[in-house]
This record gives sequence, structure tokens and C-alpha cells, in this order.
Amino acid sequence: GAVVSQHPSRVICKSGTSVKIECRSLDFQATTMFWYRQFPKQSLMLMATSNEGSKATYEQGVEKDKFLINHASLTLSTLTVTSAHPEDSSFYICSARPQGDNSPLHFGNGTRLTVT
Amino acid sequence: AQKITQTQPGMFVQEKEAVTLDCTYDTSDPSYGLFWYKQPSSGEMIFLIYQGSYDQQNATEGRYSLNFQKARKSANLVISASQLGDSAMYFCAMRERAAGNKLTFGGGTRVLVKP
Repeated sequence: GAVVSQHPSRVICKSGTSVKIECRSLDFQATTMFWYRQFPKQSLMLMATSNEGSKATYEQGVEKDKFLINHASLTLSTLTVTSAHPEDSSFYICSARPQGDNSPLHFGNGTRLTVT
Repeated sequence: AQKITQTQPGMFVQEKEAVTLDCTYDTSDPSYGLFWYKQPSSGEMIFLIYQGSYDQQNATEGRYSLNFQKARKSANLVISASQLGDSAMYFCAMRERAAGNKLTFGGGTRVLVKP
């Protein structure tokens, strides 16, 4: 089955630093990947759609200069949280799907970010 | 308006019994898909079952079945013969073709299976 790998699974950083999260589709090509954010005991909220070879599409209220997305190849998208603050602490999870309308989104295992 | 609504924040179910998780949705797009995902405490999202808006029959996958009532805009998940490992958060999600095929999630239902 389709596998999405996300790295790192857990990261602790200090306020003001930047953190990069990688999302890879291991056995399929993904022209589109999706980045979600999940606060404790809440649902997944879509942050942005990552498009291979072009700019990401951000959801309303998501700062594109804060959350930089790069989708440089058909198997890799990265999310960089720039100048992280404690309120950026959250669970970030990426997803992608193989071609085909009925295929489900496959998710990475998520990254738990803690900003101290 | 909420696109996906899960009205049950939490449920207890006895092991080996069946449980129904409610999900209603709101869309004017004639082409859409409905998904259920399971999220254990470890955080990964596990795909369970899919129902397309044009599918005539209710989807089934092992112990999971989807009670799709299109006119009522509901897509309830039924888990039969509950197991202790079914304890998790369950999310209903919708993908609308007109919205670029991105998934919108409901608020989730936490299920706790009692031995």
C-alpha cells in the first residue's frame, strides 16, 4: 500500500529558531501533498496544499511567511516553521495520495513540535 | 456552517458489541467522497473506509461498514464485534471535487472499548 514517511517524529526547539519537517511519498509520486495541524483533543485543520513545482496554496488564516512550504520533487514536500514560538507547538501531519479519484489520503506519522 | 459534523465527542462500547459513530455532512457538490480514519493515541491516521457520492451500495471493509444515507447527508460508521484495539479517535472526512480534492475533517469521536 501507499506509504508516506514523515520526519522527524518529535522535535523540541527554542523560541526564535526554525524547524523543518519532511514528508516523503515512498512508493508513489505525489504532485500534491497536504499539511495539517492538530491541537490536543482537536481535529485536523488543513494548513496548506503543497504543489510540486509551484507555490503552495494556504488556507485562510495561515501565515505563509511563518509556515514555508517547498515541494521540489514528486516525492518530497517540506514544511518549515520559521521563528517558532510556543504557540506553534502542535502536531503537524502531512498527507498525499496516489493518482485516482477514489484513492484515500495516506498520512505520515506526524511530527510533534514543542517550542520552549 | 460546519461541513462535517460528528455529534458524539466520546463513546463507551463493550467488547464484542457493535458501535455506530455518527457523521453528517454538508455540500452542494454532486461529486464528493466520504472517509473514515482512525487515530490511536500514537497519532497516526489510519484509513478505514471510503464511500463515493455515486456509489449505490454501502461500503464495507471487514468489521467496518458505512451506513450511507445520501438524502439525509449522513455517513455513519459501524464497527462490529468491537475489540480493545479499536479504542481510538475516529474522524469522518469529506473530499469535494470542486474544492480541489482536499479533505475536511469532522471534530472526531473518541471510542473506548471496555473489556
